[in-house]
Amino acid sequence: QVQLQESGPGLVKPSQTLSLTCTVSGGSISSGSHYWSWIRQPAGKGLEWIGRIYPSGSTNYNSSLKSRVTMSVDTSKNQFSLRLSSVTAADTAVYYCARARGFDRAFFDCWGQGILVTVSS
Amino acid sequence: EIVMTQSPATLSESPGERATLSCRASQSVSSTLAWYQQKPGQAPRLLIYGASTRATGIPARFSGSGSGTEFTLTISSLQSEDFALYYCQQYYNWPWTFGQGTKVDIK
Repeated sequence: QVQLQESGPGLVKPSQTLSLTCTVSGGSISSGSHYWSWIRQPAGKGLEWIGRIYPSGSTNYNSSLKSRVTMSVDTSKNQFSLRLSSVTAADTAVYYCARARGFDRAFFDCWGQGILVTVSS
Repeated sequence: EIVMTQSPATLSESPGERATLSCRASQSVSSTLAWYQQKPGQAPRLLIYGASTRATGIPARFSGSGSGTEFTLTISSLQSEDFALYYCQQYYNWPWTFGQGTKVDIK
């Protein structure tokens, strides 16, 4: 059974870069059947899809964040990562990594537990 | 961007009752609609995809219906573990978007 686990700093200063890693266990990130995504949820609010990455490194980002987002993948470590630059308090949220089932059209069938990232000086 | 609107925001029901949750898309998404359940402090869990297909391990009391712009999630007989937040998500067009959620709480 595939499991995902987010890791990274829980506190980031304004204007700095948020960096998170998702480690996949119980299956290979390179299986070729899935994209891998990041989704965030501000406290008390809904879910926002950030973007996705394929094991080849191909990416798609939400246009609302595209100028600040970079995703990468390390298949040797079975991990994928998120970098979000120039953060503000509005980027404070629980960040989830998730497996996207499907290609051009995909839903999320497996989620990490989430990691709270607070943007504050 | 496709906007997903869920109603009601809060649904108060008693255990054993039937719950009906609605999700409307701002434009047609065909049947590319998923439902998730989220409990406090937990990640969302996939319930339904393709508008009506239950995910692995999801009890039969959960059912989804609809296509185009109007969708429904029905819980036929509410169990104590079903009181939670529910989100719909369209995956027809980029960016994939979620509704704002419906909270099902105990009456």
